[in-house]
Amino acid sequence: NAGVTQTPKFQVLKTGQSMTLQCAQDMNHEYMSWYRQDPGMGLRLIHYSVGAGITDQGEVPNGYNVSRSTTEDFPLRLLSAAPSQTSVYFCASSYLGSSSYNSPLHFGNGTRLTVT
Amino acid sequence: KNEVEQSPQNLTAQEGEFITINCSYSVGISALHWLQQHPGGGIVSLFMLSSGKKKHGRLIATINIQEKHSSLHITASHPRDSAVYICAALPSGGGADGLTFGKGTHLIIQP
Repeated sequence: NAGVTQTPKFQVLKTGQSMTLQCAQDMNHEYMSWYRQDPGMGLRLIHYSVGAGITDQGEVPNGYNVSRSTTEDFPLRLLSAAPSQTSVYFCASSYLGSSSYNSPLHFGNGTRLTVT
Repeated sequence: KNEVEQSPQNLTAQEGEFITINCSYSVGISALHWLQQHPGGGIVSLFMLSSGKKKHGRLIATINIQEKHSSLHITASHPRDSAVYICAALPSGGGADGLTFGKGTHLIIQP
């Protein structure tokens, strides 16, 4: 049981380049989300999804796109990378269940992205 | 907006000491999460609670709903407990975008 698999682990981009961060989970979780972690700040929500075909914006969505074509996968796309997007990115998933949104979160191992 | 504050920001202790990390929040919540982030960066969920107390091994999490406060305790601390501990609160009636994270407490346990 792999849990949440996030790739790549490290990435360096030049300003203006695009890339996709991959996230896959094998726990049949309905809820998936992307966070960024910056020094001195708590984790901030970028985008989230409550099921295949359903996505919504979080606190800091600008410059990022997501899609959820399957339950398992939730890729995060940077359309035109900017230095302000230098950060550590985490994908997370959880079971929604009967008490929506208060189930334990399962995190990927993170992607350290540097934009020069 | 829910504000989540953790204290202390940094904590260095000797092996064997009893550790307490505090988390306070500003609105009524339906769930409070405690997470552990190891030096390698991975984040693991330790506890999710909405009332009372939970225990797992040497870790104990408590929550006081009236005072809007939660604590994470580590008994007989060990160098392998060195990590960043993060609390996150979900407001009552909060949706999938409602979880607010604290900035974390950086714990170092010295041998």
